[in-house]
Amino acid sequence: EVQLVESGGGLVQPGGSLRLSCAASGFTFSSYWMHWVRQAPGKGLVWVSRINSDGSSTSYADSVKGRFTISRDNAKNTLYLQMNSLRAEDTAVYYCARAGYDAAFYMDVWGKGTTVTVSS
Amino acid sequence: SYVLTQPPSVSVAPGKTARITCGGNNIGSKSVHWYQQKPGQAPVLVIYYDSDRPSGIPERFSGSNSGNTATLTISRVEAGDEADYYCQVWDSSSDRVVFGGGTKLTVL
Repeated sequence: EVQLVESGGGLVQPGGSLRLSCAASGFTFSSYWMHWVRQAPGKGLVWVSRINSDGSSTSYADSVKGRFTISRDNAKNTLYLQMNSLRAEDTAVYYCARAGYDAAFYMDVWGKGTTVTVSS
Repeated sequence: SYVLTQPPSVSVAPGKTARITCGGNNIGSKSVHWYQQKPGQAPVLVIYYDSDRPSGIPERFSGSNSGNTATLTISRVEAGDEADYYCQVWDSSSDRVVFGGGTKLTVL
């Protein structure tokens, strides 16, 4: 079964750091681009970042550029999101999602999400 | 940056047809993808590349894209279709993914 499982969310103070992980299974992880998407409470989906299959190319939303870093370990079938200098507005459910085959820019598999709360 | 505009809400009676629009500058030149999200659940891809359906998605779901508007059409609407729907494109000029603000579909 194709599956993505996020972990690493929690409560963190403003200015703090957190690293999210996304464990992939049931498919050849190293062949797919991956994305992070977040959703603030009661709000819509917002794209955060994407990484290509070998990790050599990344892209970020303006709101997180310079603070968040996406990476991957294909040997461990795991995607990461390092989040630094966190702000209250980063509070959200964070989803990892698999890009469509052949680097397509749709997302065909999603995890259940992990919740990040930034508050003092 | 590229902006996608969706109506906040659409209401439809069971058995009727729901149409959810997604507006963007010359969106017809882009590939549009649609997601369904039910409360407390992760999004699910329902349409990709404007009009293709992933396996397992009913034929009642269809899509079109032309000019400045893309449309998700749900025929013979059922109570289980009640959800939030999001359109999405890739903005090649900025290499960023863009989501619309979402539309809440209510089945009356």
